[in-house]
This record gives sequence, C-alpha cells and structure tokens, in this order.
Amino acid sequence: NAGVTQTPKFRVLKTGQSMTLLCAQDMNHEYMYWYRQDPGMGLRLIHYSVGEGTTAKGEVPDGYNVSRLKKQNFLLGLESAAPSQTSVYFCASSPDWGNEQFFGPGTRLTVL
Amino acid sequence: AQSVTQLDSHVSVSEGTPVLLRCNYSSSYSPSLFWYVQHPNKGLQLLLKYTSAATLVKGINGFEAEFKKSETSFHLTKPSAHMSDAAEYFCVVSESASNTDKLIFGTGTRLQVFP
Repeated sequence: NAGVTQTPKFRVLKTGQSMTLLCAQDMNHEYMYWYRQDPGMGLRLIHYSVGEGTTAKGEVPDGYNVSRLKKQNFLLGLESAAPSQTSVYFCASSPDWGNEQFFGPGTRLTVL
Repeated sequence: AQSVTQLDSHVSVSEGTPVLLRCNYSSSYSPSLFWYVQHPNKGLQLLLKYTSAATLVKGINGFEAEFKKSETSFHLTKPSAHMSDAAEYFCVVSESASNTDKLIFGTGTRLQVFP
C-alpha cells in the first residue's frame, strides 16, 4: 500500500516548456487535489477532482490544466511554464470532501 | 468569506515546555477544521480534525485542539514539547455548502524546539 505517490520528485524547466506531473493513489479515493506551496503562503489549491472524469478549479488554476481519466490517477499539466510557477507541488486524495487528506511527498519544480 | 489566520509565523519553545499554536478562522457555514504537520521535505500529515462533534479534539503525538465558536478559534496545544515536534503546522478550514466547496490553508507556523 503505497498511499499517494508523485512523479517526478524534481524537475527543472525552461520558460515556455511543457510538462505533466503525475499523481497516483491506491486507496480508492474519490477526491484528488493538486496544491502548490510557496514560502510564507501555505498551500493553495490549484484544481481538484470529485471523481473519475470530473475536475474543478481551485484557488489558483490559471496556467494549469488537469485530467482524471482513471480514478487512481490525477495529472497536472503546465502547457507553457513560467518562472512564477516555480514551486513545490503536492497531490492529495481523500474519500470525500471534508475528510482527512493523504498527501504525496511533493514535486519540486524550478522554471528558469 | 472564508479565511484562516495563523497568528504566529514562528514559535520557539524548550523541550518539555507547553506548545500553543494559534489559529482563528471565519466561515459562513459550519466548517470542518484540521491541523496538519509537515516535517522538512515531507508531505503533510493529519494531526487532528474537528467536524462538529466534541469541541475538544485529541490527535496524534499528544496534540489536542479546542474549537471555540464564540472566539472563532481552533488553537493547537501540547503539554510537553519533544524535539521531534519541530516542524511546520497548518490550520485548515473546509466547508461545503450548495455549489461551493472551499478548502483554505493557513500560512503555517514553524515550531522550533530547543534542548
């Protein structure tokens, strides 16, 4: 039982490049979330999903897209990376809203 | 509007002394409240949660928090700090009403524990 895993752990991009972050969970949770964590700002919700095939915008969705084609996977895409997207990205899952969230170990992304 | 305020960005205590991390919130509906802990270079882990049952909530590792509606507070306490408690702590408010799902994290409190 791996819980929540994230791929990759680290990545460096040049401005304008694209990439996809993968989140996988093996707990059969309906809800999945993507956050970014920046110094002094806590975690901010980018997008979330309430089930396979559904996604919704969070607090800071601009510049990101997501997909939930399979229940266990939640992908976060950056189509054209910008330096402002340099951050640590966390994925989480939960059985429903308002319940405990289980977090992955994070992905540290640097955009030059 | 929903918001979370963690009143201290840094708290320093000596090992064996009490810990108090303060959190105030505002919410239009009956919220769920959480405290999470993040150790360096790790993901977040749930310490405890309040979901409108008992107002005094006990969590892992000896932490507890008291929900005070009149003061809109959810402060985290521990009677005796341990070196392993050094980490960052986040207060989180969650509410779901009508078509609005809100999940707001506080900005975090970094706890230092000195020998």
